[in-house]
Amino acid sequence: GEQVEQRPPHLSVREGDSAVITCTYTDPNSYYFFWYKQEPGASLQLLMKVFSSTEINEGQGFTVLLNKKDKRLSLNLTAAHPGDSAAYFCAVINTGYQNFYFGKGTSLTVIP
Amino acid sequence: DAAVTQKPRYLIKMKGQEAEMKCIPEKGHTAVFWYQQKQSKELKFLIYFQNQQPLDQIDMVKERFSAVCPSSSLCSLGIRTCEAEDSALYLCSSSQSAANSDYTFGSGTRLLVI
Repeated sequence: GEQVEQRPPHLSVREGDSAVITCTYTDPNSYYFFWYKQEPGASLQLLMKVFSSTEINEGQGFTVLLNKKDKRLSLNLTAAHPGDSAAYFCAVINTGYQNFYFGKGTSLTVIP
Repeated sequence: DAAVTQKPRYLIKMKGQEAEMKCIPEKGHTAVFWYQQKQSKELKFLIYFQNQQPLDQIDMVKERFSAVCPSSSLCSLGIRTCEAEDSALYLCSSSQSAANSDYTFGSGTRLLVI
């Protein structure tokens, strides 16, 4: 089955710096990719949903890159601010099954 | 407010008691998922319903939980006999059965077993 590996598990950056979180997956049939943000004590908030045909996806303050050749999905927070401090999870869906395959999460701390 | 509604937000049970939490999926969504999350760590898949039928579940759910979707607008997850290790955030997610569906999460039910 699908294996999703998310790195790093913990990340600390200074305000204004960029932060990059990466997920690799194994199933070449994976076709939808998600990034979620979870603030302390809260539920998961969808940041972006990416279809397999789109390699670069811009959000507000972040970019999601999909490299299908390397089976890698990355979330790049540009100019991080303290409000970005949270846990981030990637998730992958493949054509054969509708369940999510989640990464184990990255705890991001942005130091003022 | 999340389009997926979960109740209650908080639940406190003694060991050995039964617990029940509910999920109202987003309107029109036919797939419902339950996850368990401890201490903001990784999400553990519990069970998946499609059109109210359970299609996949882990052994722990088969053995100790009771999960049903009696209607398209209501699902419930129960624990027959709570144990301390069941203390966690239980998240419900729903989606349409379509390739471009969004998967939205409820606010969760935080269970504490003492």
